[in-house]
Amino acid sequence: AQRVTQPEKLLSVFKGAPVELKCNYSYSGSPELFWYVQYSRQRLQLLLRHISRESIKGFTADLNKGETSFHLKKPFAQEEDSAMYYCAAYNYGQNFVFGPGTRLSVLP
Amino acid sequence: KAGVTQTPRYLIKTRGQQVTLSCSPISGHRSVSWYQQTPGQGLQFLFEYFSETQRNKGNFPGRFSGRQFSNSRSEMNVSTLELGDSALYLCASSTAQGFSTDTQYFGPGTRLTVL
Repeated sequence: AQRVTQPEKLLSVFKGAPVELKCNYSYSGSPELFWYVQYSRQRLQLLLRHISRESIKGFTADLNKGETSFHLKKPFAQEEDSAMYYCAAYNYGQNFVFGPGTRLSVLP
Repeated sequence: KAGVTQTPRYLIKTRGQQVTLSCSPISGHRSVSWYQQTPGQGLQFLFEYFSETQRNKGNFPGRFSGRQFSNSRSEMNVSTLELGDSALYLCASSTAQGFSTDTQYFGPGTRLTVL
């Protein structure tokens, strides 16, 4: 069965420190991978997609097919990055699956 | 442009009843997808509609159904409600079918409580 795991429920870093949110997936074929973010009292929103190879708000995500990982990284965390982050995977004809989420807390 | 809207925002039902939730997408968007969010199970994909046809479906029982109208508005129906159906139900809209080619925009959700 398709599965997305995020090993950390909570990740705390200091402002200006690098941050890495881990995501691993178990999927047949080559799924599309996504990161979603939900800031406090705001709607869920798409942060970035693997297929776009984009950098949004300073975040990037590298797909490692060998390790089946899609970790989210930012070199210098900001307090406004504090939020809930969800990794997700989708393959045509299969379920669209979310990970359990990681709460990022950026401390001043 | 107005964002995705969902009605009602809050709903209380009792076990065994049925419920219908509504989602109005952003103007011009033809895809609407639905999600269930609970503390225990997290975010789970229910289904996606595009041009009035269900295109993708998650692993939910047949009690969960949906439809999309010609104006792209979508409804989700849950029959024979169970306590475990208590959740925040989110919908999202985008211009294209699937999840890879276009950004989804989420609504605020409908909070369903089953007593």
